Amino acid sequence: DVKVTQSSRYLVKRTGEKVFLECVQDMDHENMFWYRQDPGLGLRLIYFSYDVKMKEKGDIPEGYSVSREKKERFSLILESASTNQTSMYLCASSLTESEAQETQYFGPGTRLLVL
Amino acid sequence: AQKITQTQPGMFVQEKEAVTLDCTYDTSDQSYGLFWYKQPSSGEMIFLIYQGSYDEQNATEGRYSLNFQKARKSANLVISASQLGDSAMYFCAMREGEGNYGQNFVFGPGTRLSVLP
Repeated sequence: DVKVTQSSRYLVKRTGEKVFLECVQDMDHENMFWYRQDPGLGLRLIYFSYDVKMKEKGDIPEGYSVSREKKERFSLILESASTNQTSMYLCASSLTESEAQETQYFGPGTRLLVL
Repeated sequence: AQKITQTQPGMFVQEKEAVTLDCTYDTSDQSYGLFWYKQPSSGEMIFLIYQGSYDEQNATEGRYSLNFQKARKSANLVISASQLGDSAMYFCAMREGEGNYGQNFVFGPGTRLSVLP
């Protein structure tokens, strides 16, 4: 079974703090994704990565950065947390296949509260 | 325009009965994939079932089946013999095209299913 883990289920931070959200997958997937999920707005893609050290902006990258130093690990960084970044953050991974289902498998999510 | 439409914000079903959750999609690609995910209150998105655009048969996974009607661009999820543990949000999603990295993955707004004892 695919397993995607996230470092924290719940996190409380103060405005201006630097925040690291870690995601690890154990299935040798090339692609990894960070989403945020907000009521009424659904899931929105922040960043994704298709290989080590490669990253691409998603729909809402402002205020975030990412790091992928190893294939299994994809980190989301909030350089200076703000209250509007209070949200549920979901990490996902998938394989790249030419005739693919490319199913995305998700981690348990991190509920971040920025005070 | 919305690429994935789920017209039912909420649904109720009696335990042990079947329920259909609606999903329609919009794409001009010939190759695409359709997915259903379940999100219980714990927050994790659980993959349920997949249907490829070229698959001629409807996908089934245990109590889940996908009623794929390509001409109508619909991909409804059918849950048979509902259980209390099926109470959750259900999201329909689509991956457009192929040969990309999966970033063309869009989710619908979700349907909240409540199973009544």
